[in-house]
Amino acid sequence: NAGVTQTPKFQVLKTGQSMTLQCAQDMNHEYMSWYRQDPGMGLRLIHYSVGAGITDQGEVPNGYNVSRSTTEDFPLRLLSAAPSQTSVYFCASSPWGGQPQHFGDGTRLSIL
Amino acid sequence: ELKVEQNPLFLSMQEGKNYTIYCNYSTTSDRLYWYRQDPGKSLESLFVLLSNGAVKQEGRLMASLDTKARLSTLHITAAVHDLSATYFCAVDRDQGAQKLVFGQGTRLTINP
Repeated sequence: NAGVTQTPKFQVLKTGQSMTLQCAQDMNHEYMSWYRQDPGMGLRLIHYSVGAGITDQGEVPNGYNVSRSTTEDFPLRLLSAAPSQTSVYFCASSPWGGQPQHFGDGTRLSIL
Repeated sequence: ELKVEQNPLFLSMQEGKNYTIYCNYSTTSDRLYWYRQDPGKSLESLFVLLSNGAVKQEGRLMASLDTKARLSTLHITAAVHDLSATYFCAVDRDQGAQKLVFGQGTRLTINP
């Protein structure tokens, strides 16, 4: 019973590098979201999706891209990493609106 | 722009005492979520409140929602050490689209 799986768990990047954070869920949930968590600021929504082929921006989308080609997967791409993107990234899913989100364990990303 | 404010941000209390965490939000919404986060861990759903006057209880925690006052409360009864964690409220800014805006979190420490 995997739930929401995020990989990698830790990553260190240099400024300007690109990478993809992976998120997969096995619960057949339609809704998926990406958040970043910075100290003292709670979680902020980066991008979200209400189904395969449908994505939209959240509060802090700049510097990130997403796609949703399948119900299960929702990867987050950093186009050109910057130190300001150092954070903990959480992926979450829910069956539909009004239901609690299930969160992955997070990816701790440091950009030097 | 939807703003979500929690208070207090830090709370240290003794076992056996009662206390309340407040979550105020700035624009109309009737969907509010409470989550718990242990240090270095992911988020766990506690309550989903979907209408004015909604009240949910689980063990020593009780959450309520007043949409007219734009206020939710999380009440802790007879606190025990295991409830030490950070508690977040989150408000859906798009009526079910899961475009959640989180509060800053309340770090609760319960001392023996």
